[in-house]
Amino acid sequence: AQKITQTQPGMFVQEKEAVTLDCTYDTSDQSYGLFWYKQPSSGEMIFLIYQGSYDEQNATEGRYSLNFQKARKSANLVISASQLGDSAMYFCAMRETQGAQKLVFGQGTRLTINP
Amino acid sequence: DTAVSQTPKYLVTQMGNDKSIKCEQNLGHDTMYWYKQDSKKFLKIMFSYNNKELIINETVPNRFSPKSPDKAHLNLHINSLELGDSAVYFCASSKRTEQETQYFGPGTRLLVL
Repeated sequence: AQKITQTQPGMFVQEKEAVTLDCTYDTSDQSYGLFWYKQPSSGEMIFLIYQGSYDEQNATEGRYSLNFQKARKSANLVISASQLGDSAMYFCAMRETQGAQKLVFGQGTRLTINP
Repeated sequence: DTAVSQTPKYLVTQMGNDKSIKCEQNLGHDTMYWYKQDSKKFLKIMFSYNNKELIINETVPNRFSPKSPDKAHLNLHINSLELGDSAVYFCASSKRTEQETQYFGPGTRLLVL
């Protein structure tokens, strides 16, 4: 069974600093996808970034990058130059690429950006 | 031009009532999902439909019944609501191919009193 672990329940970072949110995963599948979503206090789930298991390069989307270390089964999210608006819950998720393709989520990390 | 929409956004009801949540997507996706987010923010899949066919049915009480009248709509009906059903319910959609992102609706916050 697939499992996602986010070991940081909460993180506090100064504005403009870079922050790394940890995510480790467990799967026996060879082909899978890894996602990060942001959930601000307003409650919606916002897609941030995707990494495929066969992608050789780390994914990047603006200030977001995914530090993918396949051998270690980790997919950490890096936010550069953090902003006050980055304060939110962040969820790491995995999707199997065969079968029903449901997303399995981690417990989430609450990120607070201090001015 | 909302991509995935849900109604209602908030739902407050008494125990024992029956309620429905509606979801619509205009992204042209063929797969839709219902997720439940509990009070600890944990998100878990409940159901998934692909082209109106049920493909995921996790361990969910049979008081919950999804219905997909067409590819763009997925509704969730809940019978005999219980206190433990209080949660945020998210609808999501995607194309059922590799590397396709699931896009979420705004969520429906259900409170059972």
